[in-house]
Amino acid sequence: RKEVEQDPGPFNVPEGATVAFNCTYSNSASQSFFWYRQDCRKEPKLLMSVYSSGNEDGRFTAQLNRASQYISLLIRDSKLSDSATYLCVVNDSNDYKLSFGAGTTVTVRA
Amino acid sequence: DADVTQTPRNRITKTGKRIMLECSQTKGHDRMYWYRQDPGLGLRLIYYSFDVKDINKGEISDGYSVSRQAQAKFSLSLESAIPNQTALYFCATSDPRGAYEQFFGPGTRLTVL
Repeated sequence: RKEVEQDPGPFNVPEGATVAFNCTYSNSASQSFFWYRQDCRKEPKLLMSVYSSGNEDGRFTAQLNRASQYISLLIRDSKLSDSATYLCVVNDSNDYKLSFGAGTTVTVRA
Repeated sequence: DADVTQTPRNRITKTGKRIMLECSQTKGHDRMYWYRQDPGLGLRLIYYSFDVKDINKGEISDGYSVSRQAQAKFSLSLESAIPNQTALYFCATSDPRGAYEQFFGPGTRLTVL
């Protein structure tokens, strides 16, 4: 079983729509959670950390559900520029190694 | 200028050849990592180094070796390349004070024929 699993999508949404997707993780002892964004054939970049209480960054909202071992990302008022692959990332310990999901692809159409 | 650079950006080679991928960073971070990315599998850790004298295997180190020549340089070698090492390779850095954020280079697309 993979440590981090994501629905690969693609999620095809019109501009202005809301899109949400989840990621599940297998290690109940996982400590830190992140969403990274990766544009086609480019390097991943940190989008946001995910905190236990949930957090927002502009149009992006991340939630953590430790009981069910999943995190979610919601994108509100989608823009064309939001088209990318979103990587779910988990840290299982304090040694700064990260486990990456395979990514969820979002395509926003005009 | 980019903070994390990788050379070459693209490479096509033949089975059995020795290949070196290089990574340099100007972020002043002690921690450096090498990953490979394959479609549908996500990034997988090959090797990581927390300082110049510290080298550790990741989950898929077989067939690879690394050298940390300086704080700013971390090289990945394929001693005898094979076709299933065809992938996109990323170098990354992190600062132990930086709450786990990793900064990635632009990637090297390697094709082994």
